[in-house]
Amino acid sequence: DTGVSQNPRHKITKRGQNVTFRCDPISEHNRLYWYRQTLGQGPEFLTYFQNEAQLEKSRLLSDRFSAERPKGSFSTLEIQRTEQGDSAMYLCASRPQGADYGYTFGSGTRLTVV
Amino acid sequence: AQTVTQSQPEMSVQEAETVTLSCTYDTSESDYYLFWYKQPPSRQMILVIRQEAYKQQNATENRFSVNFQKAAKSFSLKISDSQLGDAAMYFCAYSKNFGNEKLTFGTGTRLTIIP
Repeated sequence: DTGVSQNPRHKITKRGQNVTFRCDPISEHNRLYWYRQTLGQGPEFLTYFQNEAQLEKSRLLSDRFSAERPKGSFSTLEIQRTEQGDSAMYLCASRPQGADYGYTFGSGTRLTVV
Repeated sequence: AQTVTQSQPEMSVQEAETVTLSCTYDTSESDYYLFWYKQPPSRQMILVIRQEAYKQQNATENRFSVNFQKAAKSFSLKISDSQLGDAAMYFCAYSKNFGNEKLTFGTGTRLTIIP
């Protein structure tokens, strides 16, 4: 395992287009998280999966956002009808269940909406 | 709701010297975790050090140590013998000790190492 993998690294899209990001967690990690980081800010929690179940969504996750984790493996985050305010770094992290284990973060996907 | 505050947007330190980054937090929980994460220009967030709130002993990882003051809700990071590779954004973060353990981050401190 080489860690948490996120693709693409960069995405430039026109306002109104749909985009999809992918996260491949460490294989034995059953918990997967999505965070959004805007310039000059710390990451903000978006949503969380335990296996294939999406257990919590932040109020930041508007109706235009949807996340899935089929079969409890990789996860996708889709943004429909992108807006300029969606421009940010989208970070994925995974961890095993249990309080003694820390997070492993991916390198993120940088989204620019023009 | 839990909040994490980092009041130093930028800090600088001479190579080989010691620097302390500040963090305060607010929570009504009695059991929780606190973290310091490092985010270099390559962007991947890396765990520096972790502290369990129920442990009175301050965590230490090589050149990195924390000063955890539970009553004051303060959690500072001390970096000793600063190295050029320590240059990065440093984020303080909080999570509950149970449930989904999502992280709440501060706004970060940019640390510059002066050769």
